[in-house]
Amino acid sequence: QVQLVQSGAEVTKPGASVKISCKASGYSFTDYYMHWVRQAPGQGLEWMGIINPSGGDATYAPKFQGRVIMTRDASTATVYMELSSLRSEDTAIYYCARALIYLIDSWGQGTLVTVSS
Amino acid sequence: DVQMTQFPSSLSASLGDRVTITCRASQPIGDFLAWFQQKPGKAPKSLIYSASNLQSGVPSRFSGRGSGTEFTLTITTLQPEDFATYYCQQHNSYPLTFGGGTKVGV
Repeated sequence: QVQLVQSGAEVTKPGASVKISCKASGYSFTDYYMHWVRQAPGQGLEWMGIINPSGGDATYAPKFQGRVIMTRDASTATVYMELSSLRSEDTAIYYCARALIYLIDSWGQGTLVTVSS
Repeated sequence: DVQMTQFPSSLSASLGDRVTITCRASQPIGDFLAWFQQKPGKAPKSLIYSASNLQSGVPSRFSGRGSGTEFTLTITTLQPEDFATYYCQQHNSYPLTFGGGTKVGV
């Protein structure tokens, strides 16, 4: 069955960077795109961007352009999302989500990132 | 960006009720709309894509309709496991955007 297993919770300081991983299994890694979506405490869902695991090309939401980098390692079927220049407002749960391009069908369990001085 | 507005933001319902949630797009998006369900402390679950197509394994009491700018998610005969927050998302253009959510409670 499809599994997306994300890395563990992170606590980091303002101005720092965080890199989260999402390891895929149960399907052909390069046949599906991967989205990243975040959710601040008590808030709704916010789309951050998408990566094509086949070619590695990514598209980011304008809000995160310049601060986010999405990469993949096809040899381990893992995608990564790195967010830099962190501020307190970036405290959130970050999800990876598998998609047939735009059609999301499976989600990772989420990774809590806490930004605090 | 396409703004997605959901209403109501919350509603109270009882077991067996028929529930309808509306999602409105700020500009036409064809049928490029998805619905997700999220329970407290859990990751979202994909319910519907392309406005009306159920994801595999989703019960048939869930249905979606609409095109252009107005969409609905209907749950017929509400079950205990359906109490959750529901989000719509447009997948017509970047950046993909979500509605603010509708909490279905008791």
